[in-house]
Amino acid sequence: NAGVTQTPKFQVLKTGQSMTLQCAQDMNHEYMSWYRQDPGMGLRLIHYSVGAGITDQGEVPNGYNVSRSTTEDFPLRLLSAAPSQTSVYFCASSYSWTTSYEQYFGPGTRLTVT
Amino acid sequence: KQEVTQIPAALSVPEGENLVLNCSFTDSAIYNLQWFRQDPGKGLTSLLLIQSSQREQTSGRLNASLDKSSGRSTLYIAASQPGDSATYLCAVTGGSQGNLIFGKGTKLSVKP
Repeated sequence: NAGVTQTPKFQVLKTGQSMTLQCAQDMNHEYMSWYRQDPGMGLRLIHYSVGAGITDQGEVPNGYNVSRSTTEDFPLRLLSAAPSQTSVYFCASSYSWTTSYEQYFGPGTRLTVT
Repeated sequence: KQEVTQIPAALSVPEGENLVLNCSFTDSAIYNLQWFRQDPGKGLTSLLLIQSSQREQTSGRLNASLDKSSGRSTLYIAASQPGDSATYLCAVTGGSQGNLIFGKGTKLSVKP
């Protein structure tokens, strides 16, 4: 198993540009989520999904969009990038959203918005 | 609102020493607690998962304990090695979103 994969590893955007961060898992996990990690703020939940076709907002959803058309993929879209979105983004997955299961993280995407 | 605190923020020890990392949380209504390791510029690696009904979990030189009633967990690392140098993150799961709520981590440095 490749586990949780994320692409790209690094990205530089200009303010106002849009892009999609890709996340995929091959463990047949129902639950997937996106976090951002900022110095002094720790990791914060952006969006999550409990299964294909079902998504919901986390703590910091503004400026981001998600969809989940398959069990394997959970892309995160930045609609109009802002410098405040400079961060490291992590995708995570777990077998079930009932939270009794270990969560696995991808290697992260380091995004800089200028 | 659940808050997770990790003390100390940084720790430097000589190789071979046994050490304890601390994690506390404000709401005892958690489903589980997970310890992660993060190397610089890398993702999070899961070390141990403790269910709310469990008191401890062990993996090799690592032992994590959970006292839900007092809102505390400890990660014990035996016979530390320079390769253990990393940031250790504690996270709890609770509420309706299934998400992890993280502490800010303890940065561990093990000197040869």
